[in-house]
Amino acid sequence: QVQLQESGPGLVKPSETLSLTCAVSGYSISSGYYWGWIRQPPGKGLEWIGSIYHSGSTYYNPSLKSRVTISVDTSKNQFSLKLSSVTAADTAVYYCARHDGRWRPWGQGTLVTVSS
Amino acid sequence: DIQMTQSPSSLSASVGDRVTITCQASQDISNYLNWYQQKPGKAPKLLIYDASNLETGVPSRFSGSGSGTDFTFTISSLQPEDIATYYCQQYDNLPRFTFGPGTKVDIK
Repeated sequence: QVQLQESGPGLVKPSETLSLTCAVSGYSISSGYYWGWIRQPPGKGLEWIGSIYHSGSTYYNPSLKSRVTISVDTSKNQFSLKLSSVTAADTAVYYCARHDGRWRPWGQGTLVTVSS
Repeated sequence: DIQMTQSPSSLSASVGDRVTITCQASQDISNYLNWYQQKPGKAPKLLIYDASNLETGVPSRFSGSGSGTDFTFTISSLQPEDIATYYCQQYDNLPRFTFGPGTKVDIK
């Protein structure tokens, strides 16, 4: 069974870079599918951040594109998110998931707070 | 960008009631529309894919219909465990996505 697990700092200072990793078990990232990140500010809806295809091609939400980098490490079977120049508006639960149009399965999510 | 709207934003119904949520896309998305359930503190869970297909393991009281720009999600008989927020999501321009704003369902 495919499982995903997010990890990374829970607190990031304003103007710094948020870095998260999603470890995948039960499936090899290089075998197929897209692998993506979605975030959810407290009490709000879901926002697609970006995705990486198993071949390495990346796709980003235009509203975040200038600040987002998604990369994959096939040797560790994990993919990562970097979001630069963060502000309080980037405070959210960040989820990673596998998708092909349908998002499943998902990681449990990790809360990242932007605060000094 | 394709925009998604949902109505209502929240609803309260009794156990056993039929519940209907609508989702509208700003342009034709064929049947590239999924529905998710999110319970508090949990990740979203896929319920319906391609507008009307039930995900494996999901109870049959959940259903979806529609195509083009107008879609409907139905719970035929609301159960206490169905308390959650429901989101529609389009993928007409894969791998770019848009989610609807969500509909919060409560028990009356």
